[in-house]
Amino acid sequence: AQSVTQLGSHVSVSEGALVLLRCNYSSSVPPYLFWYVQYPNQGLQLLLKYTTGATLVKGINGFEAEFKKSETSFHLTKPSAHMSDAAEYFCAVSQLNAGNMLTFGGGTRLMVKP
Amino acid sequence: GAGVSQSPSNKVTEKGKDVELRCDPISGHTALYWYRQSLGQGLEFLIYFQGNSAPDKSGLPSDRFSAERTGGSVSTLTIQRTQQEDSAVYLCASSFAGTGVEPLHFGNGTRLTVT
Repeated sequence: AQSVTQLGSHVSVSEGALVLLRCNYSSSVPPYLFWYVQYPNQGLQLLLKYTTGATLVKGINGFEAEFKKSETSFHLTKPSAHMSDAAEYFCAVSQLNAGNMLTFGGGTRLMVKP
Repeated sequence: GAGVSQSPSNKVTEKGKDVELRCDPISGHTALYWYRQSLGQGLEFLIYFQGNSAPDKSGLPSDRFSAERTGGSVSTLTIQRTQQEDSAVYLCASSFAGTGVEPLHFGNGTRLTVT
């Protein structure tokens, strides 16, 4: 079984401040990890993913995430928040050859204050 | 098409009526997923189609929910005798092979309101 926990359903930062969205997972096999972003009235779109190799992965819009196996974490960061980053962010975990085993976290709504 | 297309974008229906939601995945994608997103909630897995294999229906919340995928392409999610608790955004997604490695491509969803 696998699960994803996103700490903080709502996160508020000031424009220009560091963004840190937390994601912890549990998985009995090597995980594949994803961050998706959802803007209002839209579907989800991929920000970045970790499959194998380098544990620090860079995504679109200046976001990056680091896979830490010892901490079972995959936190999402961005050095400087922009107003356009306001959205809902979902962390997800899956397994190889188990396309039906994609599990999403509960989501974190990011608010950016001017 | 360029992306996953869902229709209608909004649907308002009376309690007890049946509704059909349509999803047109990206051409060539063999895997298709339906999720439900309720207000303030995360994504709830409903059903997964992969090629010609039997679908994984383990997420369907009741026997009022069913889905089919014709010709390995378009999918229809049907909710019979709708209830107010069925009100949610229904999201469809597709992926190239459903291996768990490649990302999902989502449609913009159908917002269902049951009155």
